[in-house]
Amino acid sequence: EDQVTQSPEALRLQEGESSSLNCSYTVSGLRGLFWYRQDPGKGPEFLFTLYSAGEEKEKERLKATLTKKESFLHITAPKPEDSATYLCAVQESLYSGGGADGLTFGKGTHLIIQP
Amino acid sequence: DGGITQSPKYLFRKEGQNVTLSCEQNLNHDAMYWYRQDPGQGLRLIYYSQIVNDFQKGDIAEGYSVSREKKESFPLTVTSAQKNPTAFYLCASRAPRGNLAEAFFGQGTRLTVV
Repeated sequence: EDQVTQSPEALRLQEGESSSLNCSYTVSGLRGLFWYRQDPGKGPEFLFTLYSAGEEKEKERLKATLTKKESFLHITAPKPEDSATYLCAVQESLYSGGGADGLTFGKGTHLIIQP
Repeated sequence: DGGITQSPKYLFRKEGQNVTLSCEQNLNHDAMYWYRQDPGQGLRLIYYSQIVNDFQKGDIAEGYSVSREKKESFPLTVTSAQKNPTAFYLCASRAPRGNLAEAFFGQGTRLTVV
């Protein structure tokens, strides 16, 4: 069973059409949740870190929120340059089995913004 | 500029060959990681190192080996024992664990078996 599930797998929007991407997680002790953007053939680029339920962070047209079970990445009035794959990753608490100290990633949402 | 450099960008391997992927960082980070990315899959952890001369297996370490002789360098060797090595390989580094810092990634190496 996947610990981090992202939905939808792919999303096609018109320029200016706002929407949200979802990241749900099942780890028992969350230390942090990370959002990354990845362009084709490139390494992921860091966007946000969220630490506790109720926290929100914004950057340009992107806003990330966190609850106890999931995170949303809201995209407001997107532009074609926002087209990318958006990855969500979680860092588990060491006391709940997160011994690897690495991030557990979801499979990503492939976002296409059409002009 | 500080960052992570992976080389080469593209690598071709013949059946039965070992190949080594390079990862260098000048961010002064203690922790370094290797991930593998396949189409339709999330990033999967191969190996990680939290300090020089020490490293640990991740979720899919079979067929891979690493070394950490210098803080700046964390090379990954894909051995002939790795039966399906064609993938996109990503190296990352992080500041010390206590800060729960974000991971910074290199630009990746695409390995293809020919």
